[in-house]
Amino acid sequence: NAGVTQTPKFQVLKTGQSMTLQCAQDMNHNSMYWYRQDPGMGLRLIYYSASEGTTDKGEVPNGYNVSRLNKREFSLRLESAAPSQTSVYFCASSEYETSPWANEKLFFGSGTQLSVL
Amino acid sequence: GENVEQHPSTLSVQEGDSAVIKCTYSDSASNYFPWYKQELGKRPQLIIDIRSNVGEKKDQRIAVTLNKTAKHFSLHITETQPEDSAVYFCAAILSGGYQKVTFGTGTKLQVIP
Repeated sequence: NAGVTQTPKFQVLKTGQSMTLQCAQDMNHNSMYWYRQDPGMGLRLIYYSASEGTTDKGEVPNGYNVSRLNKREFSLRLESAAPSQTSVYFCASSEYETSPWANEKLFFGSGTQLSVL
Repeated sequence: GENVEQHPSTLSVQEGDSAVIKCTYSDSASNYFPWYKQELGKRPQLIIDIRSNVGEKKDQRIAVTLNKTAKHFSLHITETQPEDSAVYFCAAILSGGYQKVTFGTGTKLQVIP
């Protein structure tokens, strides 16, 4: 049971290049998320997927796209990277369902440190 | 949408002292309040949480209190140890429908031996 697996761990891009961050979870969770973490700004939600087949924008979606490939996998794509996208990216998942008091604990991946030059 | 403010941004305490981190939230409908700990270079991990039908919850040296009227909640760490040094994030969640988590901006806690 690996939990949430993120790849790559580190990446350096030039402005305008594209890349896809991969995330997979083996806990049979319904919901998956992509966050970015910048100094002094905490964790900000980029996109989330409440269940397989659905995706929604979070707080900072501009410049990103996502794909919920299946229940296990949720990828984040930068089509044309910009220096403002230099950040640490975390994928997360949770068991959350629509009923109240369901398990909403977030499980995070180990993060991707992305630098855009 | 929900807005979560967290204070202080940095906190230094002597080993053995207590540490308190406070968060306020804006949406009175939020009903789940977790705290995450992130050690340097590691992923955030849940350390304690509280739901809106409870005023206080303890787990060994850590506790969380919730004041729904004032819309604030706090993390209390007693008898701090060097391994408590980390960044702590609070969050407020509105359950129902689907989950959207709003995090505070984090508190960097340093425990001085």
